[in-house]
Amino acid sequence: QKEVEQNSGPLSVPEGAIASLNCTYSDRGSQSFFWYRQYSGKSPELIMFIYSNGDKEDGRFTAQLNKASQYVSLLIRDSQPSDSATYLCAVMPLRNNNDMRFGAGTRLTVKP
Amino acid sequence: DAGVIQSPRHEVTEMGQEVTLRCKPISGHNSLFWYRQTMMRGLELLIYFNNNVPIDDSGMPEDRFSAKMPNASFSTLKIQPSEPRDSAVYFCASSTGGPQPQHFGDGTRLSIL
Repeated sequence: QKEVEQNSGPLSVPEGAIASLNCTYSDRGSQSFFWYRQYSGKSPELIMFIYSNGDKEDGRFTAQLNKASQYVSLLIRDSQPSDSATYLCAVMPLRNNNDMRFGAGTRLTVKP
Repeated sequence: DAGVIQSPRHEVTEMGQEVTLRCKPISGHNSLFWYRQTMMRGLELLIYFNNNVPIDDSGMPEDRFSAKMPNASFSTLKIQPSEPRDSAVYFCASSTGGPQPQHFGDGTRLSIL
């Protein structure tokens, strides 16, 4: 089992819709969770981080964490074509707070 | 504020040559990370430093790879000798340590012919 799993996609949504990106992780003791956006040919860019169970909102983005289910998600409201990118989920296992493990990423396409 | 700065942005060299990638972390960040990204394997952590000290190099693929951090504002990743399978994008990232987010540089796109 991979440490961090994401559906590779591609996920396609129409402009203005809600895009839902999901991630599961294997280390039950993990405490820190991150979402990065990566445009083609560019570097990963931090969008959100979440440490506690529940929801965390920042503009059109909402991160959701459920530690009991070992599940973290990213919702993008009012999706725009400029949101088209690969979204990487990253998890820091408790055993080593500096060791960030990345999922393979989900490619999102927002169609005008 | 200046972000993580990597050089060169692109490197094309022949098999067997020595390659040196450079990174300047964000000022005040005490943790530095080197990653490699390929289509097949995704984003892989190669090595990371805390306060200039290498902490975990278990991701370094083999002895041809080495990394140093002589001071808080500079790190190098060296491949000697280089091989075609080393072709990838190499990212450097830095953070303030602990559970804090990592911030990535623009990467070095390395092609070994």
